[in-house]
Amino acid sequence: EPEVTQTPSHQVTQMGQEVILRCVPISNHLYFYWYRQILGQKVEFLVSFYNNEISEKSEIFDDQFSVERPDGSNFTLKIRSTKLEDSAMYFCASSAGQGIEQFFGPGTRLTVL
Amino acid sequence: SQKIEQNSEALNIQEGKTATLTCNYTNYSPAYLQWYRQDPGRGPVFLLLIRENEKEKRKERLKVTFDTTLKQSLFHITASQPADSATYLCALRGNTPLVFGKGTRLSVIA
Repeated sequence: EPEVTQTPSHQVTQMGQEVILRCVPISNHLYFYWYRQILGQKVEFLVSFYNNEISEKSEIFDDQFSVERPDGSNFTLKIRSTKLEDSAMYFCASSAGQGIEQFFGPGTRLTVL
Repeated sequence: SQKIEQNSEALNIQEGKTATLTCNYTNYSPAYLQWYRQDPGRGPVFLLLIRENEKEKRKERLKVTFDTTLKQSLFHITASQPADSATYLCALRGNTPLVFGKGTRLSVIA
């Protein structure tokens, strides 16, 4: 069964450093998403991506964040100048269309020291 | 302000019983509502989607109802099993991207 994959599973970085989280969505899906979940809190939407551009973004997704689909398979989230409060699980998701189920990856645990 | 509440943080039930989880919302006009399961340290797994014009959806032992007048969705697991133990999340989509509730942690005791 096709699944969303994410790498790395765990990333530790120093405050102020840049990180890139990588995702491979399900191959025939058209919509891609990033969410984050701070420990013990709810899943929060960051950004959605369709047709090679951002379609929606939340207030969390400020200039510190960027997304890219550098080739036909990968979908990346870049966080510049990381802060302690960026520590969270980051989930990538994809869907075949809008208004239907989203398939989530296993997540990347980001720890900012 | 918009709010989604899953009003039980934790729910313990006996194996074989029906678990009923509640999702209430305020200041939303959702086009649809989804339920996901999340195990510790894992990503959410989609279970069911119900649209605003639907009253009820079923899938195997799962049933979801959606009452837009009460602004409430109920999620039922019949004949519950210990393997059903997980956190269950409701998520709404209206004129905002998918917004999740905090979840209800279900423990099914053998």
